[in-house]
Amino acid sequence: GAVVSQHPSWVICKSGTSVKIECRSLDFQATTMFWYRQFPKQSLMLMATSNEGSKATYEQGVEKDKFLINHASLTLSTLTVTSAHPEDSSFYICSASSDRGKNSPLHFGNGTRLTVT
Amino acid sequence: GNSVTQMEGPVTLSEEAFLTINCTYTATGYPSLFWYVQYPGEGLQLLLKATKADDKGSNKGFEATYRKETTSFHLEKGSVQVSDSAVYFCALSGVTGRRALTFGSGTRLQVQP
Repeated sequence: GAVVSQHPSWVICKSGTSVKIECRSLDFQATTMFWYRQFPKQSLMLMATSNEGSKATYEQGVEKDKFLINHASLTLSTLTVTSAHPEDSSFYICSASSDRGKNSPLHFGNGTRLTVT
Repeated sequence: GNSVTQMEGPVTLSEEAFLTINCTYTATGYPSLFWYVQYPGEGLQLLLKATKADDKGSNKGFEATYRKETTSFHLEKGSVQVSDSAVYFCALSGVTGRRALTFGSGTRLQVQP
């Protein structure tokens, strides 16, 4: 089946530094990728929608200058958490789909646990 | 706006017990409905889906029926196994062409031998 690889699986960084998380579709071309954030024991909250070759669409309340998303190719999207702070510590998950149909399945990465000290 | 409400967990069952996890939704239009499962240490996997009213999604012994009249999509399994222990998320998409999923809060299932 379709595989989405997310890297790194976990990262610890110091306050003020930036962290990049990669999301790759390994055996299909992902026209759209979604980035989610999951707080402990809570649901996944959509942060932004990333379309290949265009600017990401951010959800209300998500700072676009803090969470930089780049979808430069059909197989790679990156999320960069800039000037990270402890409150950014969370589990970040990407998902991807190969087409734009509303019923086409979304494939999820295994997530990245970010801890900011 | 769109929302999904799931029963709070954890749900603890003995092996071979019957499982029901309730899910109701609020949405304009006609969303597609999904159940995703997250096993410990892994990413989300699609368990089953239904795209229109009265559709029944099924997979690995799990079933859920899209009930428009009650705006529900309850997950059921007749006989759970220890290997079913995981977090289950109900989700919807497709409202007004929006493909991103709106998730419920997740329900942790623990099955004891």
